[in-house]
Amino acid sequence: AQSVTQPDIHITVSEGASLELRCNYSYGATPYLFWYVQSPGQGLQLLLKYFSGDTLVQGIKGFEAEFKRSQSSFNLRKPSVHWSDAAEYFCAVGDYSGGGADGLTFGKGTHLIIQP
Amino acid sequence: NAGVTQTPKFQVLKTGQSMTLQCAQDMNHNSMYWYRQDPGMGLRLIYYSASEGTTDKGEVPNGYNVSRLNKREFSLRLESAAPSQTSVYFCASSVTVATNEKLFFGSGTQLSVL
Repeated sequence: AQSVTQPDIHITVSEGASLELRCNYSYGATPYLFWYVQSPGQGLQLLLKYFSGDTLVQGIKGFEAEFKRSQSSFNLRKPSVHWSDAAEYFCAVGDYSGGGADGLTFGKGTHLIIQP
Repeated sequence: NAGVTQTPKFQVLKTGQSMTLQCAQDMNHNSMYWYRQDPGMGLRLIYYSASEGTTDKGEVPNGYNVSRLNKREFSLRLESAAPSQTSVYFCASSVTVATNEKLFFGSGTQLSVL
């Protein structure tokens, strides 16, 4: 079974600064990869996903992520954060089991704090 | 656009009480899910329904039952609530159950069991 690690529980970034959130996965092949964002009191919203092809994927709200097979990583980046980016961010990994939702594993999340 | 609607938003139960969490989606999705979110644990799948008329266990199904009432609605029932079931519960839906599908989430139900 696959696993997902988000090494940083909390990250604090100044408004306007760049951001990188780390995600590492364990899976025998190239998995499906996702980043979701959860604003306070809300459900999760998909930011971006990677299945194949170009390893740099663009998402909503100015976010991008890069798949690096050699490092088993799928880090999320944003060049300049806004106060509204303060939220919880989840990386998720899907396998090819075909069995459905039980093949999708979420990381434990990274809480992003934006300093004025 | 309503998307995925969950009720109630908040609930407090005493140990041993029962309750049903309701979920409805208006996107004509085939698949629906129930997750729980606990601090430091991320999201864990409780049950899912690949299509109307089917339900399957996820990672943490013990203590829960589900009903896929129709294509729109998927309810989660706690027959005898326990403090360990204190959590935030999220319903989600997707076009199909394939692992590469985008999930659409409701805004959650915060449940406390005393």
